[in-house]
Amino acid sequence: QKEVEQNSGPLSVPEGAIASLNCTYSDRGSQSFFWYRQYSGKSPELIMFIYSNGDKEDGRFTAQLNKASQYVSLLIRDSQPSDSATYLCAVNSLGRSSGSARQLTFGSGTQLTVLP
Amino acid sequence: EPEVTQTPSHQVTQMGQEVILRCVPISNHLYFYWYRQILGQKVEFLVSFYNNEISEKSEIFDDQFSVERPDGSNFTLKIRSTKLEDSAMYFCASSEALIGGGRRRETQYFGPGTRLLVL
Repeated sequence: QKEVEQNSGPLSVPEGAIASLNCTYSDRGSQSFFWYRQYSGKSPELIMFIYSNGDKEDGRFTAQLNKASQYVSLLIRDSQPSDSATYLCAVNSLGRSSGSARQLTFGSGTQLTVLP
Repeated sequence: EPEVTQTPSHQVTQMGQEVILRCVPISNHLYFYWYRQILGQKVEFLVSFYNNEISEKSEIFDDQFSVERPDGSNFTLKIRSTKLEDSAMYFCASSEALIGGGRRRETQYFGPGTRLLVL
């Protein structure tokens, strides 16, 4: 059973602070890792993907991947009230048969609140 | 920027009725997916579709469910006889490529969802 675990929160940070979101996954064969943002009642919106160990930066967002520890994180610098949402970690796993489309396994999400 | 679209945005149905949820994937994408999210729970994979056939399906995707690409643009999810526990948000997603196309091309983009309520 492939599992993706996240702290459900809620996580509250003051405006301008760094928010740190963490995710662990169970399937060592996982190859691609995604962070989605989901506002209440809305669909997941892609923030970043990462597939190599290390850091990947995109504007105020930095994703970090450590495959040995099976750990992915997302840092949000200079947090804004508009960043308040649930952040979903998703892991792309190979299908059961060779070449089949990869399914995303999602964590339960971390609810982030940025306080003005 | 191209988007995945879904209709209807909301659907209310009686238990035992058939529903069809519709999706228009991004035009140059080749891989299509359905996910669902029961209120307060995780997003769960249902099925993936490629080259006019199901590629993978989860345990949730039982004989009550079917998918179809009836024409060059639409991708549908049919629930044959709805149950109360089918009430959820249903998300369609699409991706451009699978492997060999680079990681950006395997990224799945989600539609706005259809909220299904079974009474």
